[in-house]
Amino acid sequence: GIQVEQSPPDLILQEGANSTLRCNFSDSVNNLQWFHQNPWGQLINLFYIPSGTKQNGRLSATTVATERYSLLYISSSQTTDSGVYFCAVERSNQFYFGTGTSLTVIP
Amino acid sequence: DAGVTQSPTHLIKTRGQQVTLRCSPKSGHDTVSWYQQALGQGPQFIFQYYEEEERQRGNFPDRFSGHQFPNYSSELNVNALLLGDSALYLCASSRDPLARDSPDTQYFGPGTRLTVL
Repeated sequence: GIQVEQSPPDLILQEGANSTLRCNFSDSVNNLQWFHQNPWGQLINLFYIPSGTKQNGRLSATTVATERYSLLYISSSQTTDSGVYFCAVERSNQFYFGTGTSLTVIP
Repeated sequence: DAGVTQSPTHLIKTRGQQVTLRCSPKSGHDTVSWYQQALGQGPQFIFQYYEEEERQRGNFPDRFSGHQFPNYSSELNVNALLLGDSALYLCASSRDPLARDSPDTQYFGPGTRLTVL
């Protein structure tokens, strides 16, 4: 299967700071998504981004498929950004999640 | 527009029992995937259903089985429960053929938390 590695595993930020989360994957993929899991376990879809760059408010993401990595940028972080961020990739209808980055934003 | 729904929200079973979890996909979606998420880990892909057939399967034993109905809703069945089956079970739906942008985006339900004693 495809290995998905996320870094850093844990991140603590002061409110207002910026951060970059990284996702590396071991083989070519058809799709890539970023999710935010809230404390109640709900996975919220952030970006569907198999390649290129997308922005949504304070969040943006870039995937460089040829180099097998994706980056999630969070700017001006807020306490509500706290939670676990997952990268997930898909190939041949098989899905693989990373181990996540646990983000804590302190006021 | 209803999102993905799952039932029940919580479930407690004992070892050896059988359990059935249910999922209704987001309106317009015809594909359902199931995941198991153990505490502190990322979700692990169990299988995907499309056109009432299992299209792809992850590394899970045959004790895990599923079904998709003509209305695209799905069930996950787990037989002979083990303590290690305790986890959050997540359902995701995808593949809206009418969505020009990112038709294969997965949307997740709130999950069913299964505890095996």
